[in-house]
Amino acid sequence: DSGVTQTPKHLITATGQRVTLRCSPRSGDLSVYWYQQSLDQGLQFLIQYYNGEERAKGNILERFSAQQFPDLHSELNLSSLELGDSALYFCASSVDLSTGELFFGEGSRLTVL
Amino acid sequence: AQSVTQPDIHITVSEGASLELRCNYSYGATPYLFWYVQSPGQGLQLLLKYFSGDTLVQGIKGFEAEFKRSQSSFNLRKPSVHWSDAAEYFCAVFSGNTGKLIFGQGTTLQVKP
Repeated sequence: DSGVTQTPKHLITATGQRVTLRCSPRSGDLSVYWYQQSLDQGLQFLIQYYNGEERAKGNILERFSAQQFPDLHSELNLSSLELGDSALYFCASSVDLSTGELFFGEGSRLTVL
Repeated sequence: AQSVTQPDIHITVSEGASLELRCNYSYGATPYLFWYVQSPGQGLQLLLKYFSGDTLVQGIKGFEAEFKRSQSSFNLRKPSVHWSDAAEYFCAVFSGNTGKLIFGQGTTLQVKP
């Protein structure tokens, strides 16, 4: 158990819909990362937050957005969903920004029908 | 740009045999390097990390990796593989400039009885 909690574990929805994925980092970790894992793209970095502020952005679509709240939990919002958005979405946390040592949650599997 | 290459997509070894998974990275400065393992239906677990110092690092579950700057490699090894080692293995490099942990495409390990 990494200490990172993600909900929901599984989600099935239809094209055009909007979903929210939630992540609670390990106790004491200030940084949260979101990754997308799909068969064709592998593990893709989406976005990173540190203590509520966005710090780094990767291959995140404009239809996707995220935020980190004062209690340090984070949400990833996916809107206007397309079939290609079906993937496993991982949240990870770290105590700081300096080393890249991340602790991953078990992921949220999104299926878009 | 920073990148990680895992040349082997799929490897099959017999239980008890030795294992080496290859990883090559591209990074301008001294890299922070990681190996993660993902068991089916699970999140990513950190196996080991290299920040500096001794180029041979020990990790969990009997794994080790050697950093070779001249070859830009960070290969993962295990002397004797167990059936429970069957999983997907990811090499990653941390970019301090961008704050991103960049993953390779992964190597799937199958263990034959």
